[in-house]
Amino acid sequence: DTGVSQDPRHKITKRGQNVTFRCDPISEHNRLYWYRQTLGQGPEFLTYFQNEAQLEKSRLLSDRFSAERPKGSFSTLEIQRTEQGDSAMYLCASSVGTGGSYEQYFGPGTRLTVT
Amino acid sequence: AQSVTQLGSHVSVSEGALVLLRCNYSSSVPPYLFWYVQYPNQGLQLLLKYTSAATLVKGINGFEAEFKKSETSFHLTKPSAHMSDAAEYFCAVSASSGTYKYIFGTGTRLKVLA
Repeated sequence: DTGVSQDPRHKITKRGQNVTFRCDPISEHNRLYWYRQTLGQGPEFLTYFQNEAQLEKSRLLSDRFSAERPKGSFSTLEIQRTEQGDSAMYLCASSVGTGGSYEQYFGPGTRLTVT
Repeated sequence: AQSVTQLGSHVSVSEGALVLLRCNYSSSVPPYLFWYVQYPNQGLQLLLKYTSAATLVKGINGFEAEFKKSETSFHLTKPSAHMSDAAEYFCAVSASSGTYKYIFGTGTRLKVLA
C-alpha cells in the first residue's frame, strides 16, 4: 500500500496559464475527492468521483476548473487561465466503501503559486 | 447542513502538559467525526474517528477524543504533550449521505514549549 500520491508537489505558474495536477489514489479505492486549502483555513471540498463518475462539484469549482477520472483510476484537476486567487494547496483523498464511516486517506498535496 | 467549529486557532502547552483541542459540531443526524493532523507541507493524517460505537475513541500517538451528544462536542486530548505533537489539527464531520464529503473546521495550531 503506497498511499495516495500527487504530482507535482509544487507548481509555480504565471497568471493566465493553465495547470494540471494528478492524483493516484490507493488502488481499489472507488471514491476520490479533491479539496482546496488556503493559508490558515481547513480544506474545502471541490469535487467527488465514485469510480469514473463525477457525482458532485462544489460551487467553488468555477468553469475554469475541470476534473476527470478516466477508467476510475487516477484523477486530474485542471485549472485554466489561472488567477492569483487560485494559489492554494490542492489535496486529493481516496476512500473505500459506501458509508460515511470510512475515513479518507489524503495525499501530500500540490501547492500552487500563481504569480 | 453540517458544520464544525474549532475554538482556538492557536494553542500552546508545555511539554508533558495536557493537550486539549476543542471541536463542536452541528448535525441534524448522528454524525461521523474525525480528527486529522497536518505537519508542514504535508497532507492530512487520520488520528481517530467516531462512528457511533464507543463514545470514547482512542487514536494514534496517545490521542483520544470523547463524543458528547448533549454538548455536541468531540474534543481531542492527550495526557502528556511531546515536542513532536506540534502541528495543525483539524476536526471534520462527514456529510450524512451522498458523497460523504468532509466539512472541516478551521484548524488549531498546536505549539509545544520546551
